[in-house]
Amino acid sequence: EVQLVESGGGLVQPGGSLRLSCAASGFTFRSYDMNWVRQVPGRGLEWVSFIFSSTSMTHYADSVKGRFTISRDNAKNSLYLQMNSLRAEDTALYYCAASSRATGDGLAIWGQGTVVTVSS
Amino acid sequence: DIQLTQSPSFLSASVGDRVTITCRASQGISNHLVWYQQKPGKAPNLLIYAASTLQSGVPSRFSGSGSGTEFTLTISSLQPEDFATYYCQHLHSYPITFAQGTRLEIK
Repeated sequence: EVQLVESGGGLVQPGGSLRLSCAASGFTFRSYDMNWVRQVPGRGLEWVSFIFSSTSMTHYADSVKGRFTISRDNAKNSLYLQMNSLRAEDTALYYCAASSRATGDGLAIWGQGTVVTVSS
Repeated sequence: DIQLTQSPSFLSASVGDRVTITCRASQGISNHLVWYQQKPGKAPNLLIYAASTLQSGVPSRFSGSGSGTEFTLTISSLQPEDFATYYCQHLHSYPITFAQGTRLEIK
């Protein structure tokens, strides 16, 4: 079964840090580009970050640039998001999602998300 | 950055209706646009990529069209399971933003 499973969410104080993980199974992880997308409950989707399948090339939304770092370990079929200097506005459900040229770079595989709450 | 504007934000329709959702880009993005469906409590599901290509497993009542700055998602005959929120996203350049979404509800 093709699957992405996020973990690492939780409650953190403003200014704190959190590391999200995403474990992939059922597909060739190293062949897919990976993304983090977040969603405030009842609100729309916000793309957060991207990492290429086999290089260190990354991209970030302006709202997280300089605070968040995306990384991956293809040997462990895992994706990560290190989140520093967290703010209340970072509170959301965080999804990891896989994309490939085969689907026009559309995000074709999604996890179920992990909740991050930034509050004192 | 490229902005996407989706309309309408809310749509009320009946089973069997034909509905169209529009997504406009602030600058030309060729066909680098995708559509997603999201149901409450679930992750989004890719419906259409490259503006008009149906993702595997998606019913043929869904179709996409457009190029440049204007795109449409059409559902030819609404089924009960189609009532959800729909989002377009451009993939032309980073940041790859989403539009604000269209909530499709049963009339």
